[in-house]
Formats: sequence, C-alpha cells, structure tokens
Amino acid sequence: RKEVEQDPGPFNVPEGATVAFNCTYSNSASQSFFWYRQDCRKEPKLLMSVYSSGNEDGRFTAQLNRASQYISLLIRDSKLSDSATYLCVVNSLTGGFKTIFGAGTRLFVKA
Amino acid sequence: GAGVSQSPSNKVTEKGKDVELRCDPISGHTALYWYRQSLGQGLEFLIYFQGNSAPDKSGLPSDRFSAERTGGSVSTLTIQRTQQEDSAVYLCASSSGRTGINSPLHFGNGTRLTVT
Repeated sequence: RKEVEQDPGPFNVPEGATVAFNCTYSNSASQSFFWYRQDCRKEPKLLMSVYSSGNEDGRFTAQLNRASQYISLLIRDSKLSDSATYLCVVNSLTGGFKTIFGAGTRLFVKA
Repeated sequence: GAGVSQSPSNKVTEKGKDVELRCDPISGHTALYWYRQSLGQGLEFLIYFQGNSAPDKSGLPSDRFSAERTGGSVSTLTIQRTQQEDSAVYLCASSSGRTGINSPLHFGNGTRLTVT
C-alpha cells in the first residue's frame, strides 16, 4: 500500500462545477498536510496547508480527518485556469522526517 | 530573488557523460530535497538534507547518483555515466526544516535533463 494515495483521475468537469479530491495516508503519526498544484511542465507550487480544523481560501476548502486518515480538497465554481494536477503531501516524523507526495490527480475544466 | 534557484534550466548530454546539477535554496532554509519527474509521472524522491545531519539517500536509484550540500546551502546532484533512462526533470526544493504546517516545500523551476 502506498503511503499517500490519490485517485489519479482525470477529472473532467465543466466550468462552474464543484469538484472534490480525496487523499488517504497510511502513517497515523503524520503531522502536517498540504495540497500542491502542478501545471504541465512546471514545478509543483503550494496551494494551501491543511489545518486540523479545516480551512478555506477563496474557492478552495481543505479538510483533514485524522481518525480516517484522509485529506480532502474542494474546489467550487471551477475555472478553466484550475486545470492542473493536484498533489497531496504529507509530512511525518516516523523513522526520521519524511515528506511524501501523492501521485496527483489530474483535473481538466472545460468551457 | 527569494526563491529556489536551479541551474542549468536545460541540459543535453551524451550517454556516458557525467553531469552536475545545481540548487541554491531559499536563504535560511535548512532542509533541501532532490526529486526527479519523468514526463507524465509523479515525483520520485532522490535525497534529503537536513542541517548537519547525515542525508537520507534512500531514493537514489543507483550508485551513479550522488549529491552533496556544501556549507548547509548550495547543493549539487551529480550523475555519472549518464544513461538514457536518466532523462527527466530534476527538481530541487527547500523548506525551513521545522515540522508543522508552516514548513511547506518550495520548489525551483527544475533542470530538464536529456541524455542522447
């Protein structure tokens, strides 16, 4: 089982749609969580950190469920410019500090 | 220029040659990572440096790959006797090295390596 798992997609949605991504992690001792966005042929960029209480940044909402060991990202009112790969990232301290990237979920937003 | 800087941005080399890739992390960041990414694939962890601790080399794919970090700042990734399967984008990232939500990774633009 991978340490961080994501549905690879692709998700194809029309503009204006709401889309949700889930990510599960295997290490219950994981400490911090992030969502990154990667555009084609570009480096990953931090989209948002995931707070324990959940957090929102404009059209983006991130949630953490420690009991079930999953993280979610909700995008409301999708824009064409949201088309990208969304990467789930988990930090843990077990056996030394580790940053684990999920393989990413591709999103295509169409007009 | 507060971001992570990588050079060269593109490198074309012949099979069998050695290459060196450079990463200049964000000033003050103690943690530095190397990843590689083949076209259409996810990130592959290569090596991680944290302060003066011994690096985590568990991701290096073979002994042709090595990396060093001088003075806790600039890092070089060296690939000896390059093979065509080494062709990929090599990404460097740095972070403050603290655990927690305030220590995300910041990536450089990457070096696109093509081995002919």
